[in-house]
Amino acid sequence: SAVISQKPSRDICQRGTSLTIQCQVDSQVTMMFWYRQQPGQSLTLIATANQGSEATYESGFVIDKFPISRPNLTFSTLTVSNMSPEDSSIYLCSVGERAGEAFFGQGTRLTVV
Amino acid sequence: KNEVEQSPQNLTAQEGEFITINCSYSVGISALHWLQQHPGGGIVSLFMLSSGKKKHGRLIATINIQEKHSSLHITASHPRDSAVYICAVDYGGSQGNLIFGKGTKLSVKP
Repeated sequence: SAVISQKPSRDICQRGTSLTIQCQVDSQVTMMFWYRQQPGQSLTLIATANQGSEATYESGFVIDKFPISRPNLTFSTLTVSNMSPEDSSIYLCSVGERAGEAFFGQGTRLTVV
Repeated sequence: KNEVEQSPQNLTAQEGEFITINCSYSVGISALHWLQQHPGGGIVSLFMLSSGKKKHGRLIATINIQEKHSSLHITASHPRDSAVYICAVDYGGSQGNLIFGKGTKLSVKP
């Protein structure tokens, strides 16, 4: 199993600013996933972050808006840039090494005012 | 399109009742997860299933591969079971990410 520490757990931010969310894993993992859950919606994949390469973004998500870092096999960050109220969501990181496995961070509840 | 449908969307129960939440998916999967999401957004993995049935305490999860359907049951429900329950599937693609249902919001009244 893997234990993920995700920070911050919640934040209230001013529009136009940026927030960086961190996920620290207690073991080395190849792939980390970043998801967004808008109010009343499903969790949706933003991007897949592999160590040593550029993150792979899903349709509708771009690097300029959601830059991701993956400096090593235990850590990743997601930045929500130039925030607007529409970015108010829960952001979640997840890892899974074996097929079908999934472990989750605690989630970050972001409110943009 | 790979979709995950959950029902019901909202569920209110009295303490002690037997709860069933359903999940249907559209194509073959390698695994299905049942997750519990707390009000703060944090998610706890309850079960991972690829076939059959699993039990943990008062929670039971079943999956029928042929019918592409899974159920999560809670026996002797308690107010502390109040949360959002999410079904997520792994379609076994090379990327490894999950596809999530919209969740079932459960409220158990004392």
